[in-house]
Amino acid sequence: KAGVTQTPRYLIKTRGQQVTLSCSPISGHRSVSWYQQTPGQGLQFLFEYFSETQRNKGNFPGRFSGRQFSNSRSEMNVSTLELGDSALYLCASSHDRGSADTQYFGPGTRLTVL
Amino acid sequence: SQELEQSPQSLIVQEGKNLTINCTSSKTLYGLYWYKQKYGEGLIFLMMLQKGGEEKSHEKITAKLDEKKQQSSLHITASQPSHAGIYLCGADKGGGADGLTFGKGTHLIIQP
Repeated sequence: KAGVTQTPRYLIKTRGQQVTLSCSPISGHRSVSWYQQTPGQGLQFLFEYFSETQRNKGNFPGRFSGRQFSNSRSEMNVSTLELGDSALYLCASSHDRGSADTQYFGPGTRLTVL
Repeated sequence: SQELEQSPQSLIVQEGKNLTINCTSSKTLYGLYWYKQKYGEGLIFLMMLQKGGEEKSHEKITAKLDEKKQQSSLHITASQPSHAGIYLCGADKGGGADGLTFGKGTHLIIQP
């Protein structure tokens, strides 16, 4: 089975712009979770989607949003980018709901905000 | 909120030596995950522990969850260069809510 894929792998944006990241889960997995990883804060949970519905959300501002499609693929959007949004964004998929089931991670999208 | 403390923060070990990484939680662990990350890349799933006293092994890596379910250890036997990377423990808060909470990671360097 193919693993979790994320596109693009690298992205450079300027402050104020918006960005959309994509995640394709492992075939058959219905849950997709997004995490932000920075040197200072480490890995932090953004949100989880299961069967096209947002199930859980971490402590991030409303500029961070996402959605999930009927084929379980997920997108994450960040509007009005700030310098502090520079990070590695990781998505993880699992068969069932979120952290109750083993999450398998993609390679990440490295976002740099200038 | 649940916090995970990993120790040590970094570790330099000579190739062939054994090592242990610890993960301590401020609250009861319902599920404890160990992942490995190469710098700037995604996380590779290693093991998941759920029951107090549980121990799992894969190749030269053994993970244990203590009886009280508030601490886990990861032990590597006869370390190899391929073991180098960042080891992260992640905890399930229970009920499948709010994603996994992660420790800050342990940076492992293997010296030849």
